[in-house]
Amino acid sequence: NAGVTQTPKFRILKIGQSMTLQCTQDMNHNYMYWYRQDPGMGLKLIYYSVGAGITDKGEVPNGYNVSRSTTEDFPLRLELAAPSQTSVYFCASSIWTDTGELFFGEGSRLTVL
Amino acid sequence: AQRVTQPEKLLSVFKGAPVELKCNYSYSGSPELFWYVQYSRQRLQLLLRHISRESIKGFTADLNKGETSFHLKKPFAQEEDSAMYYCALRSKAAGNKLTFGGGTRVLVKP
Repeated sequence: NAGVTQTPKFRILKIGQSMTLQCTQDMNHNYMYWYRQDPGMGLKLIYYSVGAGITDKGEVPNGYNVSRSTTEDFPLRLELAAPSQTSVYFCASSIWTDTGELFFGEGSRLTVL
Repeated sequence: AQRVTQPEKLLSVFKGAPVELKCNYSYSGSPELFWYVQYSRQRLQLLLRHISRESIKGFTADLNKGETSFHLKKPFAQEEDSAMYYCALRSKAAGNKLTFGGGTRVLVKP
């Protein structure tokens, strides 16, 4: 089991560019999440999904979009990159019974210049 | 709205000394509290949850509803405890999503 896999690990974008952060999990988890981590601010939820075809906004969704066409994949799209989106992004998943244990990816460090 | 506060950004202790990481929360219902840990070059992972009342790697945490706290303690810190620790809260009212605190970096010196 690879668990939760995120790509790319690092990326530098110019203001206004677009990109997609990929996330896939092989644990057959229903729940998937995208968090961003800013220094000293903890992790803030961007979007989450409770199953294929279902997504919902988290605490800081502006500037992002997601889709969940399969159980395994939960890509995060940045349409018009802004310096405020410079952060470390974490994808996570959890099982249906949702014991509270999230399984995290290694993170993707994004810099917008 | 639910909120988790970790007042210390950095805790530096010597090996063998006790360590306590503070976590305070604000939530009007019955919360579920967790501690997550991120060791250097490793993924963020669950350390313990209050509902299990367990001790993991020598760490314990007690939920104090009166003080709305969930402090993490270890009586004798080890160098391998150096890591980033996050307190998190989950509530059914918020769709079972986790809200994280800002994190505390623990440095255990030899």
